[in-house]
Parts: sequence; structure tokens; C-alpha cells
Amino acid sequence: RKEVEQDPGPFNVPEGATVAFNCTYSNSASQSFFWYRQDCRKEPKLLMSVYSSGNEDGRFTAQLNRASQYISLLIRDSKLSDSATYLCVVKSFNKFYFGSGTKLNVKP
Amino acid sequence: DGGITQSPKYLFRKEGQNVTLSCEQNLNHDAMYWYRQDPGQGLRLIYYSQIVNDFQKGDIAEGYSVSREKKESFPLTVTSAQKNPTAFYLCASSDGSTMNTEAFFGQGTRLTVV
Repeated sequence: RKEVEQDPGPFNVPEGATVAFNCTYSNSASQSFFWYRQDCRKEPKLLMSVYSSGNEDGRFTAQLNRASQYISLLIRDSKLSDSATYLCVVKSFNKFYFGSGTKLNVKP
Repeated sequence: DGGITQSPKYLFRKEGQNVTLSCEQNLNHDAMYWYRQDPGQGLRLIYYSQIVNDFQKGDIAEGYSVSREKKESFPLTVTSAQKNPTAFYLCASSDGSTMNTEAFFGQGTRLTVV
């Protein structure tokens, strides 16, 4: 079983749409959680950390459910520039585990 | 500016050759990592190091070797024993003393076997 599982997509949405990505992780002892964004042929970059109480950064909202071992990312009012692959990342004992990513295509 | 530098950006290797990928960071991070990414796939951990002069195998260490003689540097050697080395290689570092800190990545090295 993979440490982190994501729906690979692609998600094709029009500009202005709201889109949600989900992720599950297998290790209940995992300590920290993140969403990264990766553009084509580039390195991953941190989008936001995910906290148990949920957190928001502009149009982006992240949620964590430790009981269900489930992480989500909500993007509101999608922009063309949001087109990328979104990676769910779980940190356990100083090792980072990456999901395979969910591809988002925002269309005009 | 603080950051992680990987070199070269592109690397071509003949079959049977060993090649070394460079990774240097000036973030004063204790932990460093090497990942491999194949097209359309996630990142897989090759090796990681939590402290100077110590490193551990990740999930796909076969055919790779590393060293950590200095805090700033964590070079990766792709040996001839690695059967399918063509991939995108990413180096990362993290402040290992703090639980919630993220990983910072270099720009990656794209290795192609010719």
C-alpha cells in the first residue's frame, strides 16, 4: 500500500470554478502535512502547510482529518495560473512521503 | 539568497558510466534528501541524511550511492548498477530540528542515458 494516495486527475475546470483535491495517508503516526505545487518540468514548491484546525491562504483552504487520515485542498475562483500538479505530502519522523500528484487544468 | 543548488541541470550518460549529481545548500539545514521522479509519477526517496557523516537508504537505493562529508553538500552518484537511470533527480533539505518545517527543493537534474 502506498504511503500517500491521490486521485491523479486530470481535473479540467473553467476559470472561476471551485475545485477540491483529496488525499489519504497510511501511517497514523505521521506528524506534518503539506500541499506542494509542481509546474511542468520544475521542482515542487510549497503551497501551504496543513493544520488540524484547517487553514486558509487566500483562495486556498486546506483541511486535515487525523481520524480518517484524510487531507483536502480547496481552490476557489480558479485562475489560469493555477494549472499545475498538486502534490500531497506527509512527513513522518523527518522523512517526506509524496503522493503521485493531481493534475489541474484551468481553461479560459 | 539562501537556497539549494543542483548541478548540472541536464546530464547525459553513456551506459556503463558512473555520474555524480551535485547538491549544495546554504540554509544551514541538517536534513537532506534525494528523490527520483519518473514521468507522470510521484517522488520516490533514494537516500536521506539527518546529520553530517550519516545517511540512510530510502525506498529505491539500489544502484545509487551518497556521501555527507559536509553539512552543505550531499552528492548523489548514479552507478552503472542502476538499470534504468533516466529520470528527473531532485535534492531537498529541511530543518530537522523542527517537526513542522517543510522540504525545500533544488531545481533538479534531468539525467538521460544515451
